[in-house]
Amino acid sequence: GAGVSQTPSNKVTEKGKYVELRCDPISGHTALYWYRQSLGQGPEFLIYFQGTGAADDSGLPNDRFFAVRPEGSVSTLKIQRTERGDSAVYLCASSLEGGGLQETQYFGPGTRLLVL
Amino acid sequence: GQQVMQIPQYQHVQEGEDFTTYCNSSTTLSNIQWYKQRPGGHPVFLIQLVKSGEVKKQKRLTFQFGEAKKNSSLHITATQTTDVGTYFCAGPGSNDYKLSFGAGTTVTVRA
Repeated sequence: GAGVSQTPSNKVTEKGKYVELRCDPISGHTALYWYRQSLGQGPEFLIYFQGTGAADDSGLPNDRFFAVRPEGSVSTLKIQRTERGDSAVYLCASSLEGGGLQETQYFGPGTRLLVL
Repeated sequence: GQQVMQIPQYQHVQEGEDFTTYCNSSTTLSNIQWYKQRPGGHPVFLIQLVKSGEVKKQKRLTFQFGEAKKNSSLHITATQTTDVGTYFCAGPGSNDYKLSFGAGTTVTVRA
């Protein structure tokens, strides 16, 4: 596609529920990243995929968060037993190859998650 | 770990004036990137600086990478209302792919 797309654009859920956030990267990009942005802050790294595998998941805050990219394209970020503190904008980005010094990351519009 | 700090946090500018926002890192950076995020939008890549002392220009925007590769600046001349938004600098974290963002400088413009 022309750019990174994310669905849904907004998600409201209740505390304790399970949510899935989807990211469709730029076609041909092998690297995919998830970030979380809280109000008034810069994006914070969560996880990086190189192809189908999670090359670095060190930014995931706890084991309630999990992400997959089974076919090396679309990725899903899954949050179990949501908490109010999970409320944020979840951004997905992709880059051509990943891991290089001069890779540009292209961001999607984000999913705004609100946990009531 | 590497941290990127930005100042000022807020910049309120009269239309037509110039301003500069600064980015400082606790460690030497292999490169630094700048992004702009419009209100309600997502970060959009502006530029990447790689070389020590590098200066790049994009129309009214001038980006500079410090000689020690630990700081960077963005200077905007003749500010326009289209410049409104938050400007983030980002450096590679513990690995080159892991961007570490500053908290951003939020720019508002009064006509």
